[in-house]
Amino acid sequence: NAGVMQNPRHLVRRRGQEARLRCSPMKGHSHVYWYRQLPEEGLKFMVYLQKENIIDESGMPKERFSAEFPKEGPSILRIQQVVRGDSAAYFCASSPTPGSRVVLGGYTFGSGTRLTVV
Amino acid sequence: GEDVEQSLFLSVREGDSSVINCTYTDSSSTYLYWYKQEPGAGLQLLTYIFSNMDMKQDQRLTVLLNKKDKHLSLRIADTQTGDSAIYFCAETPRNNLFFGTGTRLTVIP
Repeated sequence: NAGVMQNPRHLVRRRGQEARLRCSPMKGHSHVYWYRQLPEEGLKFMVYLQKENIIDESGMPKERFSAEFPKEGPSILRIQQVVRGDSAAYFCASSPTPGSRVVLGGYTFGSGTRLTVV
Repeated sequence: GEDVEQSLFLSVREGDSSVINCTYTDSSSTYLYWYKQEPGAGLQLLTYIFSNMDMKQDQRLTVLLNKKDKHLSLRIADTQTGDSAIYFCAETPRNNLFFGTGTRLTVIP
């Protein structure tokens, strides 16, 4: 019964390259959430997706960042033309139902992808 | 908007109690959470409290909620070195989860 799987665990990109971060939710979970943790800061909500739908992207930067959660396969967070300020840990969480029932650990977090832009 | 505030650092001696405080902004949050993050790891749910409760106890953990002041606290009794970590409180407006800045707890042997 695998938990939320994120890969890669560590990703190094040069400035201007693209970064693709993948998140496979827990089995049976159809809601995915992406968070960013900048060094020495808290977690900031980025985007909330259901299968094939973006529900809330109020935390996503307006440019260069996009997210998808296709019918088949993992959720992808894509960062185009990365800059040094994108260096952070990116966490994905999943839940089986909409967030109003976030009880009993309804959100399960992955171990994160640590992006370093050089 | 969401603005969950916590103190950044707390140091305690092993065996003492730790109290981590949090203020949140959204009174519509149904649940409030405490998560723990160990170095290099993801987030682990520690405990939660339903918004109509004042207190919840779970072994060494006690959560206190003052809904009027929008203040949440986590007390860890008999703090151990293994409790050293970053602790995040989180509120749940709009079917989502918003975190505070985290409090880095250091336990001194």
